[in-house]
Amino acid sequence: AQSVTQPDIHITVSEGASLELRCNYSYGATPYLFWYVQSPGQGLQLLLKYFSGDTLVQGIKGFEAEFKRSQSSFNLRKPSVHWSDAAEYFCAVGVGDDKIIFGKGTRLHILP
Amino acid sequence: NAGVTQTPKFQVLKTGQSMTLQCAQDMNHEYMSWYRQDPGMGLRLIHYSVGAGITDQGEVPNGYNVSRSTTEDFPLRLLSAAPSQTSVYFCASSYSPSGKSGELFFGEGSRLTVL
Repeated sequence: AQSVTQPDIHITVSEGASLELRCNYSYGATPYLFWYVQSPGQGLQLLLKYFSGDTLVQGIKGFEAEFKRSQSSFNLRKPSVHWSDAAEYFCAVGVGDDKIIFGKGTRLHILP
Repeated sequence: NAGVTQTPKFQVLKTGQSMTLQCAQDMNHEYMSWYRQDPGMGLRLIHYSVGAGITDQGEVPNGYNVSRSTTEDFPLRLLSAAPSQTSVYFCASSYSPSGKSGELFFGEGSRLTVL
């Protein structure tokens, strides 16, 4: 069955430090992959997406993600986090003909 | 610039009551979907629709009903509310006719408590 795994429930980093959020997927075909961010009390906003082509994709707010087919991974990175990046981050995969399945999320905490 | 609008934002129900969560979008998106969000569970797909008159089940459809009579509206009905349906519900739409490949635009959520 298709699934998305985000192994880290919580991550804490210091402001200005680099960030990597992990995502692994299970899907037989070429996946459509997404990262979304949810600020407290808000809906989700798309950070970036991968469909095909260059495996390193750039998104909004200085985020990037790298698709590694051999590892079934799509990790999200940012070189230097800001306090405003504190939020919950969701990895998602498009499956079948018309569904998007989400991981359980990683909550990012920023230390001043 | 309304995007995806959900009503109500908050609702408290008693076990066994029925209600409808409304979702409307003004972006002419064919694809619409409902998710529920629970702590530690992420977002789980309840139902989705790829166009007017077409609906299908997601991961957790039991206890919920949907219909899609117009492109703009996609209401979610709880037929007999149970405490297990206490959750935050999100409606989302996409410009992609194949929902799996397009960006989802989310509403602000509806927080439902079932006593």
